[in-house]
Amino acid sequence: AQTVTQSQPEMSVQEAETVTLSCTYDTSESNYYLFWYKQPPSRQMILVIRQEAYKQQNATENRFSVNFQKAAKSFSLKISDSQLGDTAMYFCAFMKGETSGSRLTFGEGTQLTVNP
Amino acid sequence: EPEVTQTPSHQVTQMGQEVILRCVPISNHLYFYWYRQILGQKVEFLVSFYNNEISEKSEIFDDQFSVERPDGSNFTLKIRSTKLEDSAMYFCASSEFMNTEAFFGQGTRLTVV
Repeated sequence: AQTVTQSQPEMSVQEAETVTLSCTYDTSESNYYLFWYKQPPSRQMILVIRQEAYKQQNATENRFSVNFQKAAKSFSLKISDSQLGDTAMYFCAFMKGETSGSRLTFGEGTQLTVNP
Repeated sequence: EPEVTQTPSHQVTQMGQEVILRCVPISNHLYFYWYRQILGQKVEFLVSFYNNEISEKSEIFDDQFSVERPDGSNFTLKIRSTKLEDSAMYFCASSEFMNTEAFFGQGTRLTVV
């Protein structure tokens, strides 16, 4: 079974600064996908970024980028130029790359607060 | 932009009653999911559905739960006899293909009293 661990229950950052959220996972799979989802106070889950395990290049989406360390089973999210709207719960998630289903296994979440 | 729509946004029900949570996935998506999030806890997978049948389910998804795609657009989760511990936010999600990102609805908050 896969496990996803987010060791930082809460973090805060000043507006315009950079913050990194940590995520580690445990799996015996060689083919898988990793995601970061954002859950603002509205509680809707919004996809932030996706990484395929077979790709060595770290994914980037505008101000969001990841540091994917496959050997260390680490998948951290870096948010640059933090904005007030980035305040949310952030969940790291794992998906096996197989032919039956696409269930996501989530971490416990990190509550990020961006301060003005 | 296409989105997953869930109704109702909030439902209160008495213990032992049946509830049906409704979802309209994104129209060209083929895979459908239900997840739940008990307040303050992580999001947990319940079930995935493809080609009109369950493709995977978790240990949470026992005989009290069922899913159905009654027509070409709706995807429902039924809880037959609700318990207090079923109180949670229930999220529907859909994805276009296997192993692609899931898009989530805004959730239905279920409160069992």
